[in-house]
Amino acid sequence: QQQVKQSPQSLIVQKGGIPIINCAYENTAFDYFPWYQQFPGKGPALLIAIRPDVSEKKEGRFTISFNKSAKQFSLHIMDSQPGDSATYFCAATKRNTGFQKLVFGTGTRLLVSP
Amino acid sequence: DGGITQSPKYLFRKEGQNVTLSCEQNLNHDAMYWYRQDPGQGLRLIYYSQIVNDFQKGDIAEGYSVSREKKESFPLTVTSAQKNPTAFYLCASSFSTGHAPQHFGDGTRLSIL
Repeated sequence: QQQVKQSPQSLIVQKGGIPIINCAYENTAFDYFPWYQQFPGKGPALLIAIRPDVSEKKEGRFTISFNKSAKQFSLHIMDSQPGDSATYFCAATKRNTGFQKLVFGTGTRLLVSP
Repeated sequence: DGGITQSPKYLFRKEGQNVTLSCEQNLNHDAMYWYRQDPGQGLRLIYYSQIVNDFQKGDIAEGYSVSREKKESFPLTVTSAQKNPTAFYLCASSFSTGHAPQHFGDGTRLSIL
C-alpha cells in the first residue's frame, strides 16, 4: 500500500513536444503529491506539487493532472526544451505531525532532443 | 547562500571498513533525512530526524547509523554490516510543519574498492 508506481521508465521527445509521466498510488491516506527533477550528479529539486482537492495545477510549463478516483496523477511538460532533459520522480506522502515521509516512484529519464 | 552541503562528493570503502558521510544545512530546518538512490529505483529512506538528539529508522536502516548532535548536522555512517553499500546517498532537510518541501544536497557517491 506504500508503493507509488511510475511510468514510463524512459522517454524521448523532440523539442516542443509534450512529455507525459504517469504515477499511480494505492494508499488513500496520501494527501500531498510532489514532483522532483534531478539532473545528473545533483540532488532532486522540488518542481511542483498538488493536493487531492484540486484536479490540476500549473506552474509555468509544468502541469500536474490529478485523478482522485483512479488514484493517478501525471506530469505534463509543455513546449519541452533540451534543458528539461533530466530524471523526474513523483512522490506521495500523508500528513504526519513534524515529519514528511515521502514515498518515491522509480523515476523517468526524459531526453528532449533539439 | 542557504543550502545543504554533502561531503565528500565521492567516497571509496574497503571491505570491513566503516565510512561516514557528512551532511550540513544552514536553512534552520528541524527535520533531516538520509536517502539511498540506486539505478532504476526511487529514493529509499534510511534514517530521519525531527529534532536534535532524536532519530528514527526508515525503510532500509540495516547496516547504517546516524547521529544528530546539532541541528545543522546529520552524519551517516555506512558500517561494514552493510553488504551492498555502493549507491548514491542523498541528504535532505525540511521544516517540520505540514507538507514543508524537502531540500536535497548534491549527494555522495560511495563505491567499494
